[in-house]
Amino acid sequence: DTAVSQTPKYLVTQMGNDKSIKCEQNLGHDTMYWYKQDSKKFLKIMFSYNNKELIINETVPNRFSPKSPDKAHLNLHINSLELGDSAVYFCASSQDGAGGSNEQFFGPGTRLTVL
Amino acid sequence: GENVEQHPSTLSVQEGDSAVIKCTYSDSASNYFPWYKQELGKRPQLIIDIRSNVGEKKDQRIAVTLNKTAKHFSLHITETQPEDSAVYFCAASRGSYKLIFGSGTRLLVRP
Repeated sequence: DTAVSQTPKYLVTQMGNDKSIKCEQNLGHDTMYWYKQDSKKFLKIMFSYNNKELIINETVPNRFSPKSPDKAHLNLHINSLELGDSAVYFCASSQDGAGGSNEQFFGPGTRLTVL
Repeated sequence: GENVEQHPSTLSVQEGDSAVIKCTYSDSASNYFPWYKQELGKRPQLIIDIRSNVGEKKDQRIAVTLNKTAKHFSLHITETQPEDSAVYFCAASRGSYKLIFGSGTRLLVRP
């Protein structure tokens, strides 16, 4: 009955590797997001998808490639991992429309550590 | 560009006292202002939100006020309890599938 789920919860990997994080929501929402939370707790949007279409790409390096196979899933693939990629990555979803913003529901987060 | 500034970065209060966190936003087209609470190691969760056609909203011990002219909004927590200790984030959106978050306030409620 989890609303927004992410896997894995923890990810420890070496520099240069490629890794993926998966996200699923069962709320029937049209919009999904990826956020990065750094060590200072700053929460910054990376991507927004609405109905599987990319809406927002916040000048994220092209090593990060989101993929939305359907409305309920938004995965994040990261190539050639760097030390600076270490952070907690949160997936979120909302029922946004052209009329405005609504509550975003966050997943539990994935703590990525790059060694 | 769009920016949300949040103050203070840390706040320590005695149990039972009130806590106030303030945010200012730069985009005058912003029309949605949520507040999220993030406990240690947990996900951010919405505690209250306000839209630009409302000046104040209250939910039990928490309230939010919005001043559109000055482009700032505030979170007020009354009768604080130890379980209120967490990081609080304000955010602003103009309805474009994007929330801009403030830098967070770490609230400590001392028993």
